[in-house]
Amino acid sequence: DSGVTQTPKHLITATGQRVTLRCSPRSGDLSVYWYQQSLDQGLQFLIQYYNGEERAKGNILERFSAQQFPDLHSELNLSSLELGDSALYFCASSVAGQSSYNEQFFGPGTRLTVL
Amino acid sequence: AQSVAQPEDQVNVAEGNPLTVKCTYSVSGNPYLFWYVQYPNRGLQFLLKYITGDNLVKGSYGFEAEFNKSQTSFHLKKPSALVSDSALYFCAVDTGFQKLVFGTGTRLLVSP
Repeated sequence: DSGVTQTPKHLITATGQRVTLRCSPRSGDLSVYWYQQSLDQGLQFLIQYYNGEERAKGNILERFSAQQFPDLHSELNLSSLELGDSALYFCASSVAGQSSYNEQFFGPGTRLTVL
Repeated sequence: AQSVAQPEDQVNVAEGNPLTVKCTYSVSGNPYLFWYVQYPNRGLQFLLKYITGDNLVKGSYGFEAEFNKSQTSFHLKKPSALVSDSALYFCAVDTGFQKLVFGTGTRLLVSP
């Protein structure tokens, strides 16, 4: 158990809908990262937050947004969903935001299925 | 652009034999390299990292990795494979601010 929790585990929804994925980082970790894992795109970095502020952005679509709250949990919002958004979404956390030395600890993921 | 490549989709090895999972990198500046493992229906687990120092890095579960600057490689190794090592292995490079770029993954299958 990494100490990172994600809810829900599974989510099934329809095209055009909006969903919210939730992540609670390990105790003491200030950074939260979101990743998307799909068969055709592999594992891709979406976005990073550090202590409530956006720190780095990856291949995140404009239909997607995220935030990190004062208690450090984070939410990833996916809107106007398309079939191609079906994937496993991982959250990870780490201690620091700027050092490249720290490993990330991954949650179990949320499997999103868009029908 | 910073990237890593895992040239093998799958590696098959018999239990008890040594295993190697290959990774090559392309970075400008100092490479910060990582190996993660993903078991079925689980998130990724950190195995080991190379930041600086010794070229042989030891990690979790008996795994180690050899950093080779001249060959731009960071191969994952284990002297004696276990059936329980069967999983999906990812090499990754930190491109700054802990933004990880992952390879495509290598499936390791250890047969009894």
